[in-house]
Amino acid sequence: EVQLVQSGAEVKKPGESLEISCQGSGYSFSTYRIAWVRQMPGKGLEWMGLIYPGNSATRYSPSFQGQVTMSADKSISTAYLQWSSLKASDTAMYYCARCIPVGRACYFDYWGQGSLVTVSS
Amino acid sequence: EIVLTQSPGTLSLSPGERATLSCRASQSVSSNSLAWYQQKPGQAPRLLIFGASSRATGIPDRFSGSGSGTDFTLTISRLEAEDFEVYYCQQYGDPPETFGQGTKLEIK
Repeated sequence: EVQLVQSGAEVKKPGESLEISCQGSGYSFSTYRIAWVRQMPGKGLEWMGLIYPGNSATRYSPSFQGQVTMSADKSISTAYLQWSSLKASDTAMYYCARCIPVGRACYFDYWGQGSLVTVSS
Repeated sequence: EIVLTQSPGTLSLSPGERATLSCRASQSVSSNSLAWYQQKPGQAPRLLIFGASSRATGIPDRFSGSGSGTDFTLTISRLEAEDFEVYYCQQYGDPPETFGQGTKLEIK
């Protein structure tokens, strides 16, 4: 059974750093891209970018380029989303999702349960 | 970037009725690369439809997708109580991948 299990909720202060994780199981983790999707409170879904764990190649949405860093460790089937300096506006639920590529982009067939990030002074 | 506009924002219907949700793209979506997701409160989205009209594994046949180019539709033929959730469309014809703003399906 394909599963993506994300790290737990985090409460941070503005300016702090953070890394959340997404561990895959039940499939060959290295061969499927992992995407990250943001959902701000009461709002819709926003695609942030994705990483290919096989070679750590990344593709970011222009809206998130430079704001976050995606990485992966294929030896432990885990992808990461990192912030170096959080802002209050980063408060959101963050989902990881397995990417099914079609041409140059992808849709998402399996999703993690979400990691809630709260940034408040 | 392709902008997706979903309508209506909220749709009020009764169980047993037919629901028609619309997703319009700002430019043609290549190869009908359009997916639909359902999201329940407090849960991750669930893939319903990909390729505009192909049902994902385990999705009941009361859910169907149609459309091409810039206009796409998700139809739920006979609404059941568990269908009253939020639905999102997503295009993957051209990067960056983008989502519509969502349609909330509520019980009338």
